[in-house]
Amino acid sequence: GNSVTQMEGPVTLSEEAFLTINCTYTATGYPSLFWYVQYPGEGLQLLLKATKADDKGSNKGFEATYRKETTSFHLEKGSVQVSDSAVYFCALSDHYAGNMLTFGGGTRLMVKP
Amino acid sequence: GAVVSQHPSRVICKSGTSVKIECRSLDFQATTMFWYRQFPKQSLMLMATSNEGSKATYEQGVEKDKFLINHASLTLSTLTVTSAHPEDSSFYICSAVEGVTGELFFGEGSRLTVL
Repeated sequence: GNSVTQMEGPVTLSEEAFLTINCTYTATGYPSLFWYVQYPGEGLQLLLKATKADDKGSNKGFEATYRKETTSFHLEKGSVQVSDSAVYFCALSDHYAGNMLTFGGGTRLMVKP
Repeated sequence: GAVVSQHPSRVICKSGTSVKIECRSLDFQATTMFWYRQFPKQSLMLMATSNEGSKATYEQGVEKDKFLINHASLTLSTLTVTSAHPEDSSFYICSAVEGVTGELFFGEGSRLTVL
């Protein structure tokens, strides 16, 4: 079956630090990969996505590259802000499963001023 | 962009009562909606897949008689937690598949607290 593994949190960084949140996956087909963000008290929001190998998704300074050879989709940001404090979920969507999402466990990011 | 609205966003109820949560796609038709449950500090867990006009498909371990799902129209799916108990307290999130692009959009979530 499909699965997503991401690094456990919490991740605590100072403002302007570099962020990496690792995500690896296993899938039977050719999934699309996503990063979702959940800010305190809010629902999930799509942060970025990549639909095929070597694609790079980017949004709000965050980037992630779909690496088929390493089955990874690590999230990076060069300079985090306090407002980036949230829980980040890596997910995959298997088109053969009707777009059903499989989520990783989530990583809480705390950015201190 | 496409919007999915959930209502209510917060609900507190007494043990033994039933609670209905609505999930609406406001500006697109959604033939498929998903219901997820999120326990504190844990990931989302898929509860069921809801297809318009047919019975929902429940994931293993999810009680279909306890979590009633109805997808009566292309823009509305409801989740009813029947005879709620404190262990049902959780954050419930729906998502809807936009029919043309296949993209998923999430509702804001509904926090249920059962006293």
